Amino acid sequence: GAVVSQHPSRVICKSGTSVKIECRSLDFQATTMFWYRQFPKQSLMLMATSNEGSKATYEQGVEKDKFLINHASLTLSTLTVTSAHPEDSSFYICSALAVKETQYFGPGTRLLVL
Amino acid sequence: AQSVTQLGSHVSVSEGALVLLRCNYSSSVPPYLFWYVQYPNQGLQLLLKYTSAATLVKGINGFEAEFKKSETSFHLTKPSAHMSDAAEYFCAVSEGGYSTLTFGKGTMLLVSP
Repeated sequence: GAVVSQHPSRVICKSGTSVKIECRSLDFQATTMFWYRQFPKQSLMLMATSNEGSKATYEQGVEKDKFLINHASLTLSTLTVTSAHPEDSSFYICSALAVKETQYFGPGTRLLVL
Repeated sequence: AQSVTQLGSHVSVSEGALVLLRCNYSSSVPPYLFWYVQYPNQGLQLLLKYTSAATLVKGINGFEAEFKKSETSFHLTKPSAHMSDAAEYFCAVSEGGYSTLTFGKGTMLLVSP
């Protein structure tokens, strides 16, 4: 099956700093990538949808200035958490969608903001 | 708007017993339905999917699910549980193909020896 990677797998940062998370589709081109957030023992909540070469579409309640998404190529999307605060601590998961295919999920990135 | 309800946040079975995880959905159009499994601190792995073809769908690891339109259900089953099946299972629905997924709250499957 298709493989999606995320980097880093976990990151610890100080409050006020910015953190970048990369999502890569390793063996296919992804026209669309999705970013999810998962709190402990809860389901995945869609944060935004990004299409290659265009601006991301954010879900209601997600601050676009805080969660910057860039989808510069058909194999890479990045999520930058700007000026991170402890409440941003969470598990961030990306998925990639190939044409007429299923969403393939990355392994997730655990963010801890101190 | 689409939604998913997973009955039971936790399901406990003995090794070798039948596994049944329940999922009901609502959708304004014919849905695509998915079951994913998540192991601790990992992403989601697709178990199986329904995309308007056969109503009984077979997936990986011996799991299968049956789409029942009249009951708006897509329950996940496995005849005999293994210890390695212990994980969190998510049901998801998509309207209009493989686009935006809406997830249920998840069911934690616990398997005892």
